[in-house]
Amino acid sequence: GAGVSQSPRYKVAKRGQDVALRCDPISGHVSLFWYQQALGQGPEFLTYFQNEAQLDKSGLPSDRFFAERPEGSVSTLKIQRTQQEDSAVYLCASSLNRAVDNEQFFGPGTRLTVL
Amino acid sequence: KQEVTQIPAALSVPEGENLVLNCSFTDSAIYNLQWFRQDPGKGLTSLLLIQSSQREQTSGRLNASLDKSSGRSTLYIAASQPGDSATYLCAAQGIMKTSYDKVIFGPGTSLSVIP
Repeated sequence: GAGVSQSPRYKVAKRGQDVALRCDPISGHVSLFWYQQALGQGPEFLTYFQNEAQLDKSGLPSDRFFAERPEGSVSTLKIQRTQQEDSAVYLCASSLNRAVDNEQFFGPGTRLTVL
Repeated sequence: KQEVTQIPAALSVPEGENLVLNCSFTDSAIYNLQWFRQDPGKGLTSLLLIQSSQREQTSGRLNASLDKSSGRSTLYIAASQPGDSATYLCAAQGIMKTSYDKVIFGPGTSLSVIP
């Protein structure tokens, strides 16, 4: 289908390793969001892109987290020197345009486990 | 700062029962409120989106209501089925200041419908 896809679906990293998580939004969607979901919790906002511009990164928990969307389509969330508290499901969502009343479509998530 | 809570945290009902899930938010200045479904290991599926000017939305056996003044929304599921078993999350989106505002999620209600 033409939904939001994420890869890898599962990632196990040793503490201190760097990881890169990929999001392929729905083609033509302007807005892209990253969320972090801890076990038993709702997703928490990390960052927002409008095309290639990162308009809000206030949810990134530390400077070890970095996100980019250089051509306004695919996005990568990078976590440097992973720590155990980074273990969570990382969800990506996209929506059609800038309007806030546009529905967000979510990918299946990447489950990151840091040992 | 917007906070979203959901009651109950978990619910188990026999098949065929009607049920109500509750969502509360602290800041009534919202643009919309959305209900999602999340199956284990999957991303989020949007069920209903209620604009701030609306009181309710219906889709099949689902009905969601919104009372901004009291900071509450309810999701009503009629004639529950085992396939309805999932986690249900509500999310509030703030008043648009530019072209978007953050979506704040509740922790979810885990629903089990027993055959």
